[in-house]
Amino acid sequence: SAVISQKPSRDICQRGTSLTIQCQVDSQVTMMFWYRQQPGQSLTLIATANQGSEATYESGFVIDKFPISRPNLTFSTLTVSNMSPEDSSIYLCSVDWGDHQPQHFGDGTRLSIL
Amino acid sequence: AQSVAQPEDQVNVAEGNPLTVKCTYSVSGNPYLFWYVQYPNRGLQFLLKYITGDNLVKGSYGFEAEFNKSQTSFHLKKPSALVSDSALYFCAVRERSSASKIIFGSGTRLSIRP
Repeated sequence: SAVISQKPSRDICQRGTSLTIQCQVDSQVTMMFWYRQQPGQSLTLIATANQGSEATYESGFVIDKFPISRPNLTFSTLTVSNMSPEDSSIYLCSVDWGDHQPQHFGDGTRLSIL
Repeated sequence: AQSVAQPEDQVNVAEGNPLTVKCTYSVSGNPYLFWYVQYPNRGLQFLLKYITGDNLVKGSYGFEAEFNKSQTSFHLKKPSALVSDSALYFCAVRERSSASKIIFGSGTRLSIRP
């Protein structure tokens, strides 16, 4: 298992601004993911954060809106750019060792856009 | 393509009664199966997993899950529910390939009344 620290835990932002969310893991891990979740709903995968290369985005998500960095095997950031009220959601990072290992999640960032 | 279904949005059970949260999947081969729980303002927490062998898997907090290959199901169970079990539960599946991602179900809200 791993300890995953995600910051900030919540924020209230103004329309048109950007926010960067940080995810720190206490051990090296190959796969890191970023998800979006509406309260009480299922997870939607935004992208896979690849170390040393550009992130792999899922359909409906683009780099200009959700730039991701992965400078090393223990850290990643997700930026939500030019925010609108539709971006109000919970953003979760997770780590995965693949095979039969379960994913582990941070506690999420609860984002509200005014 | 792999998929997982949780047919019930909500399950209501009286404290002390047994509970079941249903999950069915569609994956080629013999997948890895997982259950997660999400408490308010927290990320997803791993409960248990099925890899191979005994069809009844025991996990955290007294939960267990029964794998049924013929019905492609992996239902979560607990003999005696507690009010503190009230949370959002997710079933997840992964194909037996090192490159495959975990796919999450839509989630089931479990409500335990005193």
